[in-house]
Amino acid sequence: EAQVTQNPRYLITVTGKKLTVTCSQNMNHEYMSWYRQDPGLGLRQIYYSMNVEVTDKGDVPEGYKVSRKEKRNFPLILESPSPNQTSLYFCASSSDRGVGELFFGEGSRLTVL
Amino acid sequence: GENVEQHPSTLSVQEGDSAVIKCTYSDSASNYFPWYKQELGKRPQLIIDIRSNVGEKKDQRIAVTLNKTAKHFSLHITETQPEDSAVYFCAGTRAAMFSGGYNKLIFGAGTRLAVHP
Repeated sequence: EAQVTQNPRYLITVTGKKLTVTCSQNMNHEYMSWYRQDPGLGLRQIYYSMNVEVTDKGDVPEGYKVSRKEKRNFPLILESPSPNQTSLYFCASSSDRGVGELFFGEGSRLTVL
Repeated sequence: GENVEQHPSTLSVQEGDSAVIKCTYSDSASNYFPWYKQELGKRPQLIIDIRSNVGEKKDQRIAVTLNKTAKHFSLHITETQPEDSAVYFCAGTRAAMFSGGYNKLIFGAGTRLAVHP
């Protein structure tokens, strides 16, 4: 089954404690991206990747890091989480360089206390 | 850069009525406009999209229209049903600021549609 898998789905953490949200897709997509969803703000892009070892900032990259060492995986790293990073995070992938259908993961709800 | 504005933020209709959600975009170079539906607690999923060389596209009860001159596009849902209740997001492309030409989707803030039986 074609899917994008994120983990963890839910996480409560404290300010400053490094965490990683993993994302894996099994569709051999070149393009992967991270979004955060906040009420009234829609989906805002954090980082995206066009292929292995190729990443670029989206619209709200501050406080986040990513890596793309393998085609299927695109982890999101919060080195020192802060309360303003409390949000719902979605990973997505696409076969069409980001302008075709985006396949989203189920989302990861993160709370930073 | 691209900016996408979506209206209304909430929409309430009676079952069987039509619903229309409108989006405007700022970048005249934008050329791809998808619509995503997000049911409560679920992930967004593509329901329809349109490219700039087409003025209208239909898929059963949903249709999207594009006016490039005015830089706006709309989602039309006819004969609404309770299962159409969800948050709908429009989006538009924006050319990436580096060589390679990858486009990045910019999403609107979303419209919460409620269809009442």
